[in-house]
Amino acid sequence: DSGVTQTPKHLITATGQRVTLRCSPRSGDLSVYWYQQSLDQGLQFLIQYYNGEERAKGNILERFSAQQFPDLHSELNLSSLELGDSALYFCASSALGPLNEQFFGPGTRLTVL
Amino acid sequence: AQSVTQPDIHITVSEGASLELRCNYSYGATPYLFWYVQSPGQGLQLLLKYFSGDTLVQGIKGFEAEFKRSQSSFNLRKPSVHWSDAAEYFCAVGARGTSYDKVIFGPGTSLSVIP
Repeated sequence: DSGVTQTPKHLITATGQRVTLRCSPRSGDLSVYWYQQSLDQGLQFLIQYYNGEERAKGNILERFSAQQFPDLHSELNLSSLELGDSALYFCASSALGPLNEQFFGPGTRLTVL
Repeated sequence: AQSVTQPDIHITVSEGASLELRCNYSYGATPYLFWYVQSPGQGLQLLLKYFSGDTLVQGIKGFEAEFKRSQSSFNLRKPSVHWSDAAEYFCAVGARGTSYDKVIFGPGTSLSVIP
């Protein structure tokens, strides 16, 4: 158990819909990261938050947004969903930045029908 | 900017055999190097990391990796593979930035273990 929790574990929705994925980091970790993992794209970094502020952006689509709340939990919002958004979404956390060990949650599997 | 490649998409080894997974990186300065493992249905877990010092790094689960600057490589090794080592292995390279630090993950190598 990494100490990082993600909900829900599975999510099935339709194209055009909007979903919210939730992540609670390991106790004491200030950074939260979101990754998308699919068979064709591999593991793609989406975005990083550090202590409530956006720190780094990766290959995140404009239809996607995230935030980190004062209690350090984070949410990833995916809107206008397309079939190609079906993937495993991981949240990870670390004490400081990404050069520290990242602890990954179990992931949320999103299926868009 | 840094980049990382893992030349082998999939490797199959027999249980008890030795293992070497290849990782090559591109970065102008000394990089931060990591190996993560993803067991089926789970998130990634750090096996080991290299920042500086001894170029042979020991990790968890009996794994080790060697940093070779001349070859821009950070290959992962294990002398005797167990069936439970079947998983996806990711090499990652990190670098300090002026605004933020960045880590790039490789495409992964899938390891199958034959009993």
